[in-house]
Amino acid sequence: ETGVTQSPTHLIKTRGQQVTLRCSSQSGHNTVSWYQQALGQGPQFIFQYYREEENGRGNFPPRFSGLQFPNYSSELNVNALELDDSALYLCASRPGGQIYGYTFGSGTRLTVV
Amino acid sequence: KQEVTQIPAALSVPEGENLVLNCSFTDSAIYNLQWFRQDPGKGLTSLLLIQSSQREQTSGRLNASLDKSSGRSTLYIAASQPGDSATYLCAVVRGGAQKLVFGQGTRLTINP
Repeated sequence: ETGVTQSPTHLIKTRGQQVTLRCSSQSGHNTVSWYQQALGQGPQFIFQYYREEENGRGNFPPRFSGLQFPNYSSELNVNALELDDSALYLCASRPGGQIYGYTFGSGTRLTVV
Repeated sequence: KQEVTQIPAALSVPEGENLVLNCSFTDSAIYNLQWFRQDPGKGLTSLLLIQSSQREQTSGRLNASLDKSSGRSTLYIAASQPGDSATYLCAVVRGGAQKLVFGQGTRLTINP
């Protein structure tokens, strides 16, 4: 097992730009979800993918989108960045089935200026 | 809508004390509950996972309990150490996409 790896670790973008964050999950982890964590808050669910299809979405606008690939990697894309998008973005994965807990990556710190 | 609350928001204790962190949730129809630790600016490290059919789980100095009927979980830390200083988050999994719903965390400081 190699854990969950996220890249980049830090990123600075300008308002209005687009960003892609990447996540590489452990082999066999066919469920991946993304969370946004503002400073001092608990993580908020953005969306989840199971076997490359989105199967759940939180209260985030359509400019937040994602992809999951057959090699257990995934992407979070954010278009038309706003200042409030500045946050820690966390990727989590697990094998299929509710009996398994989630494993998190170290996150990507996004700053929008 | 599932809501998760953690009390207290912050806690500071001297080294060696036993302590309890609390987590409450509004909807008892959960699949499981997971406790995490988060160091400043870092990702989440899973500490304990309790299935809905279980009452408690133990790992080393940590013990987590679950009472679904009352919507409560506690994380007990024995013989606290300065290295235990971190933010502790609880999260429940329920329904549909089985997403994690988090509390806001308890920021724990262990003083040497």
